[in-house]
Formats: sequence, C-alpha cells, structure tokens
Amino acid sequence: NAGVMQNPRHLVRRRGQEARLRCSPMKGHSHVYWYRQLPEEGLKFMVYLQKENIIDESGMPKERFSAEFPKEGPSILRIQQVVRGDSAAYFCASSPYEAQETQYFGPGTRLLVL
Amino acid sequence: QQQVKQSPQSLIVQKGGISIINCAYENTAFDYFPWYQQFPGKGPALLIAIRPDVSEKKEGRFTISFNKSAKQFSLHIMDSQPGDSATYFCAPNSNYQLIWGAGTKLIIKP
Repeated sequence: NAGVMQNPRHLVRRRGQEARLRCSPMKGHSHVYWYRQLPEEGLKFMVYLQKENIIDESGMPKERFSAEFPKEGPSILRIQQVVRGDSAAYFCASSPYEAQETQYFGPGTRLLVL
Repeated sequence: QQQVKQSPQSLIVQKGGISIINCAYENTAFDYFPWYQQFPGKGPALLIAIRPDVSEKKEGRFTISFNKSAKQFSLHIMDSQPGDSATYFCAPNSNYQLIWGAGTKLIIKP
C-alpha cells in the first residue's frame, strides 16, 4: 500500500526557469493539499484540490504559482519564472473524503533556485 | 488571525526520560489536535491526535493531554529513545487547513 509519492525529490533551477512538482496521493484518497516549508519553520498551506477542482488556493501566491489535479495522473504544482525566494521544501499531502483533517504527507520536493 | 504557539523551540532529554512539548492556540473552532513527527529530509508523519471530547489519549509511549479551557494541548513521550530525536509539530485545525506550530527540535541523548 504505497503512501503519498512525490517527484522529483530534489530540483535545481536557475532564476527564471519553471519548476514542476508532482504528487500522487495515497490509493483511495481523492483530496490533495500542497504545503511549503522554509528551513526551521512549520508548514504553510498553499492549495487544496480535488480531482479537476481547486477547492481553496488562499495560501498560494497570486502570480507565478499554479496547481492542478487532473482526472488522470498526478497533481502538479507549477512555479513559473522561479526566484531565489522560492527555494523551499514543498510537501504534498492527501486525505480520504471523510477525514480531510487526517492528512498523510509525501517525502517532499526540495527546490533550490540558483 | 489564527495563531499557534509551540514551546519549547528545542529540547534535550536524556534517554529514558520524559519529553514534553506544548502547543497553545487561539481559535476555539479547532476540533482536531494532531502532533506530527518529522525526521530530517522527510515529510511530516502523523504521530497521534485527539478530539476535544477527551482530555487525554495514550498510544504506546506517546500521550496527548488536552486542556480545553486553557486552549492548550501537549505531547508527552515516555521513556524517550534516541530514535525519537526529530522535530515535532502541532497542527490544530477545524477542517482541511492545518495550522502549524513552528516546531520543536527534540534531541534524546544516549
């Protein structure tokens, strides 16, 4: 029973490039959440998605960031024109419909912007 | 504004001792109180959680104590082991949006 999967685990981008982070939820989970974590800090909520729907993107920067969870395939967090301040660990979590507060996290993608 | 204050920021405990981490919150709408454990380079893992209808929950060496009137809950790790060395986060919530404390870095000395 595979857990939440994220790839890549590490991603290096130069300023101005695009970063694409992928997340496959646990089997049977239909809800996906993205969080960002800076060093020595707690996680910050970014976006909550269900299949083909963005439910809450209140934590996501208005520009350059977008997320999707298509009918088929993984959820994607996309960061366009990355800047050094985007360097962080990005975690994806998933939950079943009936227990949205019980979230299971993936191993994260560590993004480094040079 | 929702606020969660976690203390201490770091903690060193001798092997076999009791580790205690505290979390204070403001939002009385919170109805789910989890603790997450995170090892370096890994994602957070749900350790133990409590609902406000009980004041204490124990799972093995881990216990949550909940004080609704004081708006606080704590994590107790009994017989602490070097393998417990990690960062611990409280993340109370009332829906899908977990509100995270800043974390407590726990080191268990052998």
